[in-house]
Amino acid sequence: DSGVTQTPKHLITATGQRVTLRCSPRSGDLSVYWYQQSLDQGLQFLIQYYNGEERAKGNILERFSAQQFPDLHSELNLSSLELGDSALYFCASSVLGGIQETQYFGPGTRLLVL
Amino acid sequence: AQSVTQPDIHITVSEGASLELRCNYSYGATPYLFWYVQSPGQGLQLLLKYFSGDTLVQGIKGFEAEFKRSQSSFNLRKPSVHWSDAAEYFCAVGARAAGNKLTFGGGTRVLVKP
Repeated sequence: DSGVTQTPKHLITATGQRVTLRCSPRSGDLSVYWYQQSLDQGLQFLIQYYNGEERAKGNILERFSAQQFPDLHSELNLSSLELGDSALYFCASSVLGGIQETQYFGPGTRLLVL
Repeated sequence: AQSVTQPDIHITVSEGASLELRCNYSYGATPYLFWYVQSPGQGLQLLLKYFSGDTLVQGIKGFEAEFKRSQSSFNLRKPSVHWSDAAEYFCAVGARAAGNKLTFGGGTRVLVKP
């Protein structure tokens, strides 16, 4: 158990819908990362937050947005969902968000868009 | 831009035999290198990481990796594989210049024969 929690574990929804994925980092970690793992794209970095502020951005679609709240939990919002958005979405956390730090991954949220 | 290649998609190894997983990276400066393992239905767990210093890095679960700058490689090894090592293994590279994000390889799935 990494100490990072993600809810829900599974999500099934329809095209065009909007969903919110939630992540609680390890106690004491200030930085949160979001990754997408799909069969065709592999594991891709989406976005990083540090203490409520966006720090780094990867291949995140405009239909996707994220935020980190004052209590340090983070939410990833996916809207206008398409079939290709079906994937496993991971959240990870680290203490200060430095590249040399270990990122601790949550168990993921599996999203299926029908 | 940084990139990671894991040439082997699948590897089958007998229990007790040695294992070597290949990883080649592309990055202009000294990279930060990581190996993660993903067991079925689980998140990613860090096995080991390299930032500087001794090019042979020891990790958890009896794994080690060697950084070879001349070959742009960071291969993962284990002298004797256990059935519980069956999983998918990901090599990743990070860089401050790239905004602290991790770029992952496509992964190598390891199957362990009894």
